[in-house]
Amino acid sequence: ETGVTQSPTHLIKTRGQQVTLRCSSQSGHNTVSWYQQALGQGPQFIFQYYREEENGRGNFPPRFSGLQFPNYSSELNVNALELDDSALYLCASSAMTGGYEQYFGPGTRLTVT
Amino acid sequence: KQEVTQIPAALSVPEGENLVLNCSFTDSAIYNLQWFRQDPGKGLTSLLLIQSSQREQTSGRLNASLDKSSGRSTLYIAASQPGDSATYLCAGVVNTGFQKLVFGTGTRLLVSP
Repeated sequence: ETGVTQSPTHLIKTRGQQVTLRCSSQSGHNTVSWYQQALGQGPQFIFQYYREEENGRGNFPPRFSGLQFPNYSSELNVNALELDDSALYLCASSAMTGGYEQYFGPGTRLTVT
Repeated sequence: KQEVTQIPAALSVPEGENLVLNCSFTDSAIYNLQWFRQDPGKGLTSLLLIQSSQREQTSGRLNASLDKSSGRSTLYIAASQPGDSATYLCAGVVNTGFQKLVFGTGTRLLVSP
């Protein structure tokens, strides 16, 4: 069984640029959620995708957007990067059964300069 | 507002001690609770999921309890080892039409040999 994978591991971008982060869900999972974790804080929910549709969103502006593909992998896109977007971005996958236990990938460390 | 609080923020103990990490939450919409471990700069590893119908879960030296009436969960670690050093995060599972995790800020644990 393959766990959740994310790419790239690290990324450095300049303010105003755009970035795309990628996530492959765990085998058998059809739901992907994205979280942002600032240094020293707990992760904050960005949004969730289920069967290729966004079915829930946290308190993040529209410049944070995403996609889910038929194989349940997902992308997180951030436009017009700001310095405060510097964080660890975590992807989690889950099945819509079994208590909705979520399994996280290793994260992508984004630094905006 | 959904809030999850973890006490203490940091804990340093000698190897072999039994210890308790505390998590409290104020939102009755939290129905399951999940405990995670996070090593520095890494993703989250799921430790235990306690569903609303359960009062506790055990895995090896770890035992987690959930008391929804008081809004509290505890993670008990028996016979701590240096390899247990990490940040421990609790997260409430909230259902507002979709399931998301609401995280505390974590307890940073250091176990000294």
